Amino acid sequence: QVQLQESGPGLVKPSETLSLTCTVSGVFIGNYYWSWIRQSPGKGLEWIGYIFYSGSTKYDPSLMSRLTILIDTSKSQFSLRLSSVTAADTAVYYCARSAGLLYGGYSYPDAFDLWGQGTMVTVSS
Amino acid sequence: DIQMTQSPSSLSASVGDRVTITCRASQGIRNDLGWYQQKPGKAPKRLIYGASSLQGGVPSRFSGSGSGTEFTLTISSLQPEDFATYYCLQHNSYPLTFGGGTKVEIK
Repeated sequence: QVQLQESGPGLVKPSETLSLTCTVSGVFIGNYYWSWIRQSPGKGLEWIGYIFYSGSTKYDPSLMSRLTILIDTSKSQFSLRLSSVTAADTAVYYCARSAGLLYGGYSYPDAFDLWGQGTMVTVSS
Repeated sequence: DIQMTQSPSSLSASVGDRVTITCRASQGIRNDLGWYQQKPGKAPKRLIYGASSLQGGVPSRFSGSGSGTEFTLTISSLQPEDFATYYCLQHNSYPLTFGGGTKVEIK
């Protein structure tokens, strides 16, 4: 059974770094795009960024200066680091998988087909 | 950024009703669109990919259509388990963007 599981602190202080890990089980981490998505309380969904199994990344421009996504294929894990957090970063954070699509020789991610259950992160002193 | 305008933001319907939700993209996205259902406290679940392909295991009362800038999710006969919030997602251009959501409530 394919599963994604987020883990990390549920409480982060303002100005500190939010760190989360997504552990992938039941499927080889290769050949997929692995994304982070968040949802602020009572709000809609926001894509944060992805990492391809090769290590290439794409980030939301509004978060790019604070964001790092890494992958460890040997552990079947990928991670999120978001620095200098504020209350606006309080949200449920999801990890998700996308297959790759090809168009004109260009590879890009399909719509997310598999999601973790999500983990709530609160930014507060 | 491509803006995804989803309408309506909420609707009230009865079991057995036909429900239609629309997403409009601010520029053409071919058929690079997915539809998701989210229930409270749960992760979104993909219903439709490629604008019109039904995800395995999803009931056939769900269908998607459209291409370019206008897309539709239709539930042909609303069932009690369909009361949820629905989102569209464009994955054609970066950053990937979601619609604002449509909350389907019981009338």
